[in-house]
Amino acid sequence: GEDVEQSLFLSVREGDSSVINCTYTDSSSTYLYWYKQEPGAGLQLLTYIFSNMDMKQDQRLTVLLNKKDKHLSLRIADTQTGDSAIYFCAESIGNTGKLIFGQGTTLQVKP
Amino acid sequence: DVKVTQSSRYLVKRTGEKVFLECVQDMDHENMFWYRQDPGLGLRLIYFSYDVKMKEKGDIPEGYSVSREKKERFSLILESASTNQTSMYLCASSRDRGHQPQHFGDGTRLSIL
Repeated sequence: GEDVEQSLFLSVREGDSSVINCTYTDSSSTYLYWYKQEPGAGLQLLTYIFSNMDMKQDQRLTVLLNKKDKHLSLRIADTQTGDSAIYFCAESIGNTGKLIFGQGTTLQVKP
Repeated sequence: DVKVTQSSRYLVKRTGEKVFLECVQDMDHENMFWYRQDPGLGLRLIYFSYDVKMKEKGDIPEGYSVSREKKERFSLILESASTNQTSMYLCASSRDRGHQPQHFGDGTRLSIL
C-alpha cells in the first residue's frame, strides 16, 4: 500500500537553509504536496509538484523530486523564525481525492 | 481563496455527551474530509464524503458518524464521547476526485472530561 515517510525533527539557525525530506511509495503518476502547520492551526498548502517534474521553485521554497528513489525534498532558503512549524509531505492517491500524509517534520529555527 | 470554517476552535465536553463538530466550505467543493491529529500519530482519516448525502469510512471511523445534508457543510458526530476522543480535529475540502490539494480549516481542539 501507499506510505509516506518523513524524519521527525530538524533544527537550523536563522539565515541557514533548511532541507526537509520525504519518501513515498506509489509508483503511478501522482501529485506530491507540502503543507505547513503553525502551532494550534490547521494545515496550509505551501506548494505541490507533479511526479513527472524534477524541480519547482517558488520564492524561498524549492521542491526537488528524485523519481527513481521516490524521494521528495523541500528546501527553505534563508530560514526565518516564522518558518518554525510542522511540515507535512502528502501524496495524492489515484482518482479518490484522498491524500496520504507523512508524520510531519518539526522545524525549529534558532535565532 | 478557499475558505474552510470550523465552528469552534476549542471545545470541552463531558464523557457520554453527543458532540457535533461543524465544517463549512465556500468553494462548491465536492469532497470533504474529517481527520484527527494526535502527537506521534500524524493525521488519521475518520470519514470523508464525495457529495451530498454520501459518506465513506476512513481509517478510524469507530465511535464517529458524519452528516452531509448540504454540499457546503460536513458535520462530524461523536455519538457518546469518550476520553480517548480528546484530540485536534481537522476538516478539509477538495474540488473533486482528481489529483487536487485539500484545503484545511483551523481545527477544533476537543477535550472530553
